[in-house]
This record gives sequence, structure tokens and C-alpha cells, in this order.
Amino acid sequence: GEDVEQSLFLSVREGDSSVINCTYTDSSSTYLYWYKQEPGAGLQLLTYIFSNMDMKQDQRLTVLLNKKDKHLSLRIADTQTGDSAIYFCAEKSGNNDMRFGAGTRLTVKP
Amino acid sequence: DARVTQTPRHKVTEMGQEVTMRCQPILGHNTVFWYRQTMMQGLELLAYFRNRAPLDDSGMPKDRFSAEMPDATLATLKIQPSEPRDSAVYFCASGLELGTLFFGSGTQLSVL
Repeated sequence: GEDVEQSLFLSVREGDSSVINCTYTDSSSTYLYWYKQEPGAGLQLLTYIFSNMDMKQDQRLTVLLNKKDKHLSLRIADTQTGDSAIYFCAEKSGNNDMRFGAGTRLTVKP
Repeated sequence: DARVTQTPRHKVTEMGQEVTMRCQPILGHNTVFWYRQTMMQGLELLAYFRNRAPLDDSGMPKDRFSAEMPDATLATLKIQPSEPRDSAVYFCASGLELGTLFFGSGTQLSVL
């Protein structure tokens, strides 16, 4: 996952917004994804954005894409304790393989 | 309810032993990925298949690791001989070429 970078830890209080940031390197990436991993489980798709979009909103989730800076962010509004998990940024590169960041461990404190 | 199935869920073995992990991708998916997850390295891509053909296995130590798809319903990842540093969770994921990936629950491997 060295081509996709994200910070390893984020801690927020319940009810606050969480913002998880990611930078990627392949400018030809067609899709960018956020996956969520809960303890003892595999990764599950949370949301994705096509590279010709700059924003996507889905209930409490907002994805922002800055293609010029190759920067992707995930904002979770009104963060709940159930949102505690590891969040992975991923890019589908030009040759269609999927590369993941190392994951950001989100801890939500009551 | 279609899902990616991985076996075994847990494996404990001794150094030097052969380990085989199996994955049944979702029916109809034509891409299969193997990833390894550790605390230190995060999620690493080991191998990637499209239509059962290996496209990228550059992330895999070739001297001991091998990945195959004997048919469209089975992908295998083999380690021979295993070493303690191979201890990790190994994930298989499948998808359609332009679609999202669906992950299995992983095989937790411990090599003593």
C-alpha cells in the first residue's frame, strides 16, 4: 500500500465530525474507494467516487476529491461509537488493480 | 447472499510447514485479489488475477509463495516453507473488472 497514503490514527468524540484524509499517486485512477473494516472481519465497501466527480454525499458520509492534488477525504458527520473501525482508502489504477492505503484507525470516544 | 468464502479461518502451523489457503470467489466475478494484512505493513497486494490469468504477483515473495486459480471457482495461495514472518491475515477479494471488490473474512495465519 505504499502508493496510497493515509494517517494511521484518528480519535474523535461522539457527535463530532470525523475527517479521514488520503493521497494517491496514479493520476489515471478511474475510481477511488473508501472501505471499512470492523474487528475480525474483512473489508466492506463504504462508498466510492468516480474520478470525474469532486464530491459525493451519502447520508452521513461526504467524499471530497481533489484530482489536481490527488487528495481524497471522507467526512463522517455526527460520528457514533459504531463508526469505530479501520477505514481504507483505495484506488483502481490504470491497469485495473486495486491498491489500498495502510488504513486509518478511527476511535470514537463517548 | 453471494459472498467470498475463505478457508480455513484460522491456521496455526510450525515453521517449515506448507500452508494452503483457499478462496471461493463470488460466482461471475472475473477478478481475484490476494492481500496480506499486518499491523506493521497494513494491507499489501500479493497477487491479482483476471479471468484466471495472473496479472500481477510482484508483491509476492516468489521463492516461497505461489498463487493459482485451477478453475473459476477456486483460488489458492500456498506458502512453502512457511516462516514466522508470514504470520498475518490473508484476504481474498473478488470483483468484476470495472467494479468494486468484495472481501472474504480472511485467514488468520500464525507460524510458530
